[in-house]
Amino acid sequence: EIVLTQSPGTLSLSPGERATLPCRASQSVSSNYLAWYQQKPGQAPRLLIYGASSRAPGIPDRFSGSGSGTDFSLTISRLEPEDFAVYYCQHYGSSPYSFGQGTKLEFK
Amino acid sequence: QVQLVASGGGVVQPGRSLRLSCVASGFTFSNYGMHWVRQAPGKGLEWVAVIWFDGNGKYYADSVKGRFTISRDNSKNTLDLQMNSLTAEDTAVYYCAREDYDSSGYLYGLDVWGQGTTVTVSS
Repeated sequence: EIVLTQSPGTLSLSPGERATLPCRASQSVSSNYLAWYQQKPGQAPRLLIYGASSRAPGIPDRFSGSGSGTDFSLTISRLEPEDFAVYYCQHYGSSPYSFGQGTKLEFK
Repeated sequence: QVQLVASGGGVVQPGRSLRLSCVASGFTFSNYGMHWVRQAPGKGLEWVAVIWFDGNGKYYADSVKGRFTISRDNSKNTLDLQMNSLTAEDTAVYYCAREDYDSSGYLYGLDVWGQGTTVTVSS
């Protein structure tokens, strides 16, 4: 079972700043099957990134994903007010499809 | 449009059973693997189960194995989750989600989510 660790649990930044959210896997993620999701209060998660670095349709280009093996990250180049939310990484493609515990991006 | 609508949640006593359903529309349901993901109040996302497009493969999180059963009816575009022996730890919002892929079979993650249905296990 792959365990995903997201740290810090909370990141305090201001609009216009750059955000980098890390995700570390306990073992290598095959085929780069690593996804990122955004979740806002009261809403279902939204797929942002799949295959570690490919943006899902309709996702703004300020969102980018990188990494391979066990170390991955989500970068938001310039934070917009609507980007303040919780972000989860997920290993997929083989069971169990584990999620990280999430990083909350909050206003500084 | 592409849509998943989950239903069946409610308040149930510990030890009892509940069946969740998810109706798909706007896409060819029988071509996609489908998942259930849950979120306890104030907590993060927890993957629960997956069923392959043809129903021949089913996998579960250890926390629900032996108690929950995922199933699908491709003729009715429905996904179900039968939950037995419920405990307070099963209290959560339950989401159904579609697993996308490309023509080569490369997987794209969970790209479509239902709105969630709330399950509360309490006496």
